[in-house]
Amino acid sequence: EPEVTQTPSHQVTQMGQEVILRCVPISNHLYFYWYRQILGQKVEFLVSFYNNEISEKSEIFDDQFSVERPDGSNFTLKIRSTKLEDSAMYFCASSEGKGNYGYTFGSGTRLTVV
Amino acid sequence: KNQVEQSPQSLIILEGKNCTLQCNYTVSPFSNLRWYKQDTGRGPVSLTIMTFSENTKSNGRYTATLDADTKQSSLHITASQLSDSASYICVVTPWNTDKLIFGTGTRLQVFP
Repeated sequence: EPEVTQTPSHQVTQMGQEVILRCVPISNHLYFYWYRQILGQKVEFLVSFYNNEISEKSEIFDDQFSVERPDGSNFTLKIRSTKLEDSAMYFCASSEGKGNYGYTFGSGTRLTVV
Repeated sequence: KNQVEQSPQSLIILEGKNCTLQCNYTVSPFSNLRWYKQDTGRGPVSLTIMTFSENTKSNGRYTATLDADTKQSSLHITASQLSDSASYICVVTPWNTDKLIFGTGTRLQVFP
């Protein structure tokens, strides 16, 4: 069964440092997403990406965040200057289409900011 | 405000028993409602997707129901197994958006 692959599985970084979280979506999927889950809380939407541009973003996704699809297979989330409150599990997801299509989530990257 | 609430927060059952998890939502209009299973420290895995016009959807031992009039959904698990121990999350997609709105989940523990 096709999978969404995320690397690294764990990342510890110092406050103020930049981090890049990487994702390889399913190859024939066209829509890509980042979600995050702070420990003990709900999963929250960050951003959706289609046709090489952001299609929707949440209030959480401020200027410190950016996404990129650099080479046609990888999909990255960059946090420019990490804060303690960025500590969370970050999930990448992909889907074939919008609306009623299934989303496949990766296993996540646990980001700890110290 | 678009919200998805689930009950109970946690549930303990014995292996082989059935259980039903509840979801109430305020998202309106919406295009679909999904149920996901999430193991600790892992990504959510899709169990069912129902459009706003569907009333029920099954996937093996999992059966989801949807009442769009009362804005309620349930997930019924039949003949539970130890591997069913996980969080079960109700997720609603508002109309004309990509953004999934997640509930807080029900933590299910199945004991032998």
